[in-house]
Formats: sequence, structure tokens, C-alpha cells
Amino acid sequence: AQSVAQPEDQVNVAEGNPLTVKCTYSVSGNPYLFWYVQYPNRGLQFLLKYITGDNLVKGSYGFEAEFNKSQTSFHLKKPSALVSDSALYFCAVRDSLRMDSSYKLIFGSGTRLLVRP
Amino acid sequence: DVKVTQSSRYLVKRTGEKVFLECVQDMDHENMFWYRQDPGLGLRLIYFSYDVKMKEKGDIPEGYSVSREKKERFSLILESASTNQTSMYLCASSFLPGTGEETQYFGPGTRLLVL
Repeated sequence: AQSVAQPEDQVNVAEGNPLTVKCTYSVSGNPYLFWYVQYPNRGLQFLLKYITGDNLVKGSYGFEAEFNKSQTSFHLKKPSALVSDSALYFCAVRDSLRMDSSYKLIFGSGTRLLVRP
Repeated sequence: DVKVTQSSRYLVKRTGEKVFLECVQDMDHENMFWYRQDPGLGLRLIYFSYDVKMKEKGDIPEGYSVSREKKERFSLILESASTNQTSMYLCASSFLPGTGEETQYFGPGTRLLVL
């Protein structure tokens, strides 16, 4: 079965420090992986995705994520955090083998990132 | 830019009322989705549609129905609203898988309170 785990409910980091938001997944085939960000009372905004190719994926607002197949992880990273990065972050996965009509993404429960000044 | 719009940002309804949530996308996407978001539970899929007049149940379809009469519009219907349907409702759309571009794009959400 497909699943996504975000093991931390909240991550706290000081402005200017690097940040990591963790995500691990479980799928039958090759994963399609996504990161989204949600600001208060807003919808989800797409940050980046991994479909195939380079394991290091760069996305919006200076974020990047590294696909690690052996560890089944897709951690979100940023070299230098900003206070404005404070938000709720969701990891999502789709199994590339599932080509039936079930095109849905499986979302993690979300990680709240708090960047203090 | 992809644009997904939802008819209301905030709604307050009474138990037993019929509630319509509308979603419109302007990117000619085949797929459209309705999720609900609750604290600690992430996003849960209610229904999705991969074509006009087609619909598929998601993980939590009970108490909901959907309608897709036009490609750009996907409606979520609460036949008889209940307090446990108080939630944030998010609509999303995407191209079909296999196209190389299947990212889901989300609307701003509708926060529904059922009294």
C-alpha cells in the first residue's frame, strides 16, 4: 500500500540556519514525489517534485529536496531559513505503477515549520 | 499561471442543509479532486473526476456527492450537512498521469462551519 510519513509535527529553526523537513514513503513501484506549502487560511502551493532523473530537485523560494531510493526518503531542505518560510509543509507520493483510474496523491500529515527571528 | 478558484472562502451552514461547493479551473485539466483537511490528519480525498460526467470515490466519500457537467467545473455536494463535516475543503486539478505534467494545483480552500 502507498503511504507517506512526516515524522515531525513541528520543526523549529532560527532565521539564517539551514532547515530540513523530513519525509519517507512506501510505494510498490517507482515513486512520484511532491512537496507543497500551505500558508494560514490558504490552499496548498506546489514547491517541487521528483519524477525521474537527478536525485536533487530544486524548487520555488530556494527550496530543494533530495530523493534517496535506498532510504525511501524525500527530505525538503533550504540552506538559509527565512521567517517568511514559516508555514505548513506537506509531502505527497504517487505510485508510478498505478496507471488505473486511481490517480490520487497520498499526502503526509504535514509538518509545521517555525522560523524564529 | 494555473488558476483554481473556489466559490466561497468561508461558509456557515446549519445541520441538515444542502451545501454546494464549486470549483473552477482554467488550465483545461482532465483531473479534478476534492479533499478535506483536518488538523493532524493531513488531506483526505473525498472524490475525484478524470473526465466530464465521470467520478470516482476517494477515501472518505460518505455523506458527499459530486457533479462534473463541464470540464472546467467540479462541484462538491453535502446532501444533508452534519457537524462532523465542519472542515477545510480544498479543490485541485491536474493533467492526466503519463503526460509528464501531473502536478496537482490547488484552490484557496473553503472553510465550512456546520452549526
